[in-house]
Amino acid sequence: AQRVTQPEKLLSVFKGAPVELKCNYSYSGSPELFWYVQYSRQRLQLLLRHISRESIKGFTADLNKGETSFHLKKPFAQEEDSAMYYCAFRRNRDDKIIFGKGTRLHILP
Amino acid sequence: ETGVTQSPTHLIKTRGQQVTLRCSSQSGHNTVSWYQQALGQGPQFIFQYYREEENGRGNFPPRFSGLQFPNYSSELNVNALELDDSALYLCASSWGASGSLSYEQYFGPGTRLTVT
Repeated sequence: AQRVTQPEKLLSVFKGAPVELKCNYSYSGSPELFWYVQYSRQRLQLLLRHISRESIKGFTADLNKGETSFHLKKPFAQEEDSAMYYCAFRRNRDDKIIFGKGTRLHILP
Repeated sequence: ETGVTQSPTHLIKTRGQQVTLRCSSQSGHNTVSWYQQALGQGPQFIFQYYREEENGRGNFPPRFSGLQFPNYSSELNVNALELDDSALYLCASSWGASGSLSYEQYFGPGTRLTVT
């Protein structure tokens, strides 16, 4: 069965330090990968997707098919990055989106 | 532009009862998806409605059913409630040309259901 794994429930990082939120998926094909974010008292929202290869709020994520990973990275953490981050995946555009369990990112001052 | 709204915000039901949750999609959107988010878990896809018809379903039993109305608002109905149905139920709307699930989903704030 297709699955998305986020190994860290909680990640604490000092402000200004690099951030890497890990995400691995289990699927042998060419999936679509996404990162969603939920800030405190806000709704779940799309942060970025691998197809667009864009940088949003300083975050980037590269799809590594060999390692079946889609880790989210930011070189310098900011306090406003504190949030819940969900990695999500789907096999193709006609398929449902499968979410990981999420990682809570806590930026320490 | 009006965002996705859900009602009620929270409710408490007894095991065996039935519940209806409501969702108003964002203006201009024609597709609605429902998710169940248990505590400590990511959202799990229940089903999707496109132009008033279900066109995708996750691993949920038939007692989870839904409707989409001509104005693209939607309802999630759950019959014979079980304790494990306690969760946050999220609705997400998007625009699709053919019912394919858009990644650009706009989520509502959710309805917190507690089953006792």
